[in-house]
Amino acid sequence: EAGVAQSPRYKIIEKRQSVAFWCNPISGHATLYWYQQILGQGPKLLIQFQNNGVVDDSQLPKDRFSAERLKGVDSTLKIQPAKLEDSAVYLCASSLDGRRGSFFGQGTRLTVV
Amino acid sequence: GENVEQHPSTLSVQEGDSAVIKCTYSDSASNYFPWYKQELGKRPQLIIDIRSNVGEKKDQRIAVTLNKTAKHFSLHITETQPEDSAVYFCALWPRAGTALIFGKGTTLSVSS
Repeated sequence: EAGVAQSPRYKIIEKRQSVAFWCNPISGHATLYWYQQILGQGPKLLIQFQNNGVVDDSQLPKDRFSAERLKGVDSTLKIQPAKLEDSAVYLCASSLDGRRGSFFGQGTRLTVV
Repeated sequence: GENVEQHPSTLSVQEGDSAVIKCTYSDSASNYFPWYKQELGKRPQLIIDIRSNVGEKKDQRIAVTLNKTAKHFSLHITETQPEDSAVYFCALWPRAGTALIFGKGTTLSVSS
């Protein structure tokens, strides 16, 4: 079974630039999550999708972050403009029905300089 | 909102010893408790999970125990090996339809 795919693996940008991350969940998984993992901390939820609808985006900084999941499969997460404190690993995860453990992608390590 | 406290933040053991990591939570409605292992530069991987209707679950050298009354759950690793060295995260699922909430992680170092 193919896992959760993410790209790019690494990205370095200057502050105030924009960046986009892509995620392809495990086939058939209806629930998709974007997490932010700052060095030395556990993953923190940014947004949760159920199919192509948003379930929870309460912790998404909506003035600069946006995410979409068109057609209920792939998802993109965008940051515009980036700040230094956005430096982190952005993890995408998916779950079959949102009732048990999520499966994570390799993540995108973002460095904002 | 729900919060999960994880201790210790770092743990060093000798190969062959046991390691125990504990997490506490506040919302009694939480009913699913997974543990993830994250090696350096890699994705978190689910290693074991437990539901609230079970008190203990084992899988070879790892086990998880849950005390719903006291609101804590623990990961137990026996006969530790150097390849067990990683960051371990506890998590919980507050209620139906929500995302997992993670602890801050425990860095386990197993020396040979």
